[in-house]
Amino acid sequence: AQKVTQAQTEISVVEKEDVTLDCVYETRDTTYYLFWYKQPPSGELVFLIRRNSFDEQNEISGRYSWNFQKSTSSFNFTITASQVVDSAVYFCALSEIDYGQNFVFGPGTRLSVLP
Amino acid sequence: DSGVTQTPKHLITATGQRVTLRCSPRSGDLSVYWYQQSLDQGLQFLIHYYNGEERAKGNILERFSAQQFPDLHSELNLSSLELGDSALYFCASSVGWADTQYFGPGTRLTVL
Repeated sequence: AQKVTQAQTEISVVEKEDVTLDCVYETRDTTYYLFWYKQPPSGELVFLIRRNSFDEQNEISGRYSWNFQKSTSSFNFTITASQVVDSAVYFCALSEIDYGQNFVFGPGTRLSVLP
Repeated sequence: DSGVTQTPKHLITATGQRVTLRCSPRSGDLSVYWYQQSLDQGLQFLIHYYNGEERAKGNILERFSAQQFPDLHSELNLSSLELGDSALYFCASSVGWADTQYFGPGTRLTVL
């Protein structure tokens, strides 16, 4: 069965600190996608990234970077030099390609960036 | 503005009633997804349609049904409503499955 764990319920950092949000997943599939989404206080959902299980290269987009490690079933998200606008709930999700293509979400990590 | 519209924004109804939530995807997107977000259950995937066909089903109750019409808009029907169905319902669209998803603003359903 598929499962996504985000052990950090809430994190607080001071602006300009780096912060890493952890995501650990379980899957029976060899082919799957991993995702990160952001939900700011205004409530909308924003898609951040999709990673295919065959592509273990790390990805960087501006201040955001993602570290995918198949060996530890982790897909961690790092924000460098955090800003107040990064305050949000961040969700990690998994979708198995061969077993129904459902999306399973983690419980989310609430990040507060203090000025 | 994501380009995805959802109506209505808010809906208040009573237990046992039936409601319909509507979603219009971004122009050119063939995939529509429905999600439910509640305090109890977190964010849950309900169903995915691609070009009018159901492609994946998640934790969607039998009292709930959805469809995607030829013009690609989608409707989520919720019937025999219970208090526990109170939640925020999001719709998202993408070009194809698992591509970048664009979310609508959500419909907040309150069942009294």
